Amino acid sequence: TQLLEQSPQFLSIQEGENLTVYCNSSSVFSSLQWYRQEPGEGPVLLVTVVTGGEVKKLKRLTFQFGDARKDSSLHITAAQPGDTGLYLCAGEGAGGTSYGKLTFGQGTILTVHP
Amino acid sequence: ETGVTQSPTHLIKTRGQQVTLRCSSQSGHNTVSWYQQALGQGPQFIFQYYREEENGRGNFPPRFSGLQFPNYSSELNVNALELDDSALYLCASSSGGTAEKLFFGSGTQLSVL
Repeated sequence: TQLLEQSPQFLSIQEGENLTVYCNSSSVFSSLQWYRQEPGEGPVLLVTVVTGGEVKKLKRLTFQFGDARKDSSLHITAAQPGDTGLYLCAGEGAGGTSYGKLTFGQGTILTVHP
Repeated sequence: ETGVTQSPTHLIKTRGQQVTLRCSSQSGHNTVSWYQQALGQGPQFIFQYYREEENGRGNFPPRFSGLQFPNYSSELNVNALELDDSALYLCASSSGGTAEKLFFGSGTQLSVL
């Protein structure tokens, strides 16, 4: 069974601060995705990382995939109240019956105060 | 707007009843996956349908079943509802079976009383 440990579970910060969310596993994933989810809505894909060591930037968000493809991080620079939401990491299994199925972390609830 | 639509948006059932949830996938997508998201948790994979065939199943009992139709829309059926089945049920569509580009619907919030 593949598991993804996401931390921290809750994060409450002031506008302008930086933050990092971590996603760790003992399993190798073929890809790792980050989603953002608003209350009452489905998760919305932010980014997919595929190659070990890959770094992707999306405005103030920086995503990194670990060299061994077992962990990932999301870093937000100068957080804004509009960044408030639930952030989820999800790994796609590496081949076999896990292909195409996502294993999600528990999520990080981020609150950015003005 | 992902193009994935789910119905109904909310549903209240009592323990022991049966429920059917529906999902229309995004145009051009032949793969539909269903996830259960309990309050305060990340989604959990229930099963996936690829070209009308079940293509993998998570750790859910047989009373969770599904269908995919020729137009690639899908249904999730749950029999003998239990209180713990209360959750947000999410449908996601993609093409070719990969989860790399997965588009989620807004979900069906099921409450079992």
